[in-house]
Amino acid sequence: NAGVTQTPKFQVLKTGQSMTLQCAQDMNHNSMYWYRQDPGMGLRLIYYSASEGTTDKGEVPNGYNVSRLNKREFSLRLESAAPSQTSVYFCASSPALQGATGELFFGEGSRLTVL
Amino acid sequence: SQQGEEDPQALSIQEGENATMNCSYKTSINNLQWYRQNSGRGLVHLILIRSNEREKHSGRLRVTLDTSKKSSSLLITASRAADTASYFCATVNAGGTSYGKLTFGQGTILTVHP
Repeated sequence: NAGVTQTPKFQVLKTGQSMTLQCAQDMNHNSMYWYRQDPGMGLRLIYYSASEGTTDKGEVPNGYNVSRLNKREFSLRLESAAPSQTSVYFCASSPALQGATGELFFGEGSRLTVL
Repeated sequence: SQQGEEDPQALSIQEGENATMNCSYKTSINNLQWYRQNSGRGLVHLILIRSNEREKHSGRLRVTLDTSKKSSSLLITASRAADTASYFCATVNAGGTSYGKLTFGQGTILTVHP
């Protein structure tokens, strides 16, 4: 059982380049999330999708866009990468619908460096 | 802004000792969760305690919740070297614009020496 799969695991970008982080879950979960983790900052929510067809901003959405392609997949796009977006990105999913958020299942992370 | 604040930021103990980590939060919650993160890996859910619960156990883990003090503690008994990891508390707010979203604290780094 793969759980939550993120690709790529590592990426180096130059300032201004764009890229998309892919996330897929095979647990038939309704809700999916993108977090970033920075030293001393814990995890901060970028965007989330409570169910297929809906997306909402989290705490730090600026500079990012998301697409909930179907129930399994939730992608995060950086249109014009900046050094401040150097971070470790985590995708997560949960079975619960919005308003009843329960346990999150996390992927292994995508380590992004923007030069 | 962070909802949960863990204390201490780092904890170093010997194998066999108990480890206690604390978490404080600011607003009313629906539930509070604890996660573990091994170095270079994703977070793994440990335990969830709901706002109407005061204590919960899972194996060597004991979690308490005091909603009047807006605080929680995670106790790991008889620690092992394999418990070395970062531990995060996370809260689900009970209402308002943040309803239903999980907010993480900055974590406690636990090191268990063999």
